[in-house]
Amino acid sequence: DADVTQTPRNRITKTGKRIMLECSQTKGHDRMYWYRQDPGLGLRLIYYSFDVKDINKGEISDGYSVSRQAQAKFSLSLESAIPNQTALYFCATSDLEGLAGQGETQYFGPGTRLLVL
Amino acid sequence: EDKVVQSPLSLVVHEGDTVTLNCSYEVTNFRSLLWYKQEKKAPTFLFMLTSSGIEKKSGRLSSILDKKELFSILNITATQTGDSAIYLCAVRGSARQLTFGSGTQLTVLP
Repeated sequence: DADVTQTPRNRITKTGKRIMLECSQTKGHDRMYWYRQDPGLGLRLIYYSFDVKDINKGEISDGYSVSRQAQAKFSLSLESAIPNQTALYFCATSDLEGLAGQGETQYFGPGTRLLVL
Repeated sequence: EDKVVQSPLSLVVHEGDTVTLNCSYEVTNFRSLLWYKQEKKAPTFLFMLTSSGIEKKSGRLSSILDKKELFSILNITATQTGDSAIYLCAVRGSARQLTFGSGTQLTVLP
């Protein structure tokens, strides 16, 4: 079974609709992230959560909201979808590594391809 | 604001060639640099470089970190068509999250 799962894998929606993307992980990590990927722009951070009660905005949080329902679950919502939110969305998890917590490896889900018409 | 710049943006080579991908960064209190390979789906982890480990090697792939000049390179020798992918560099500084570069699209032709 995959360690990080995302649902749905593909979604087509219309402008103005509210949608939710879900992420679950079995790695036992405290840290979870939502990214979007657009051609030529790399991965951009939307929101991140370092534990259930710690949620932070990333560099492009406008138009998005999140919910950390449990350590293993982190959901991303588009309150009113618009066409420029068409992108590939990734969830990731991580834990700090090394004695000083200086390292971090992120494990990615398979991605959700979203098309907003 | 942390910043990661990768070059080139894209690269086309033939099988057997050696390639070098570059990643330069500006971060406050550098902690680690990570390389990922992304094919059609999610990124997969390649290497992590920290102050205590500035050179890593795995098969035909190797990476070094130059903390003085603030860059890292990813080398791939004897390239194969299966190496075609986007290669992402990410850096963690005192900011609480990783900052990713825009990636290098590598295409290896038969």
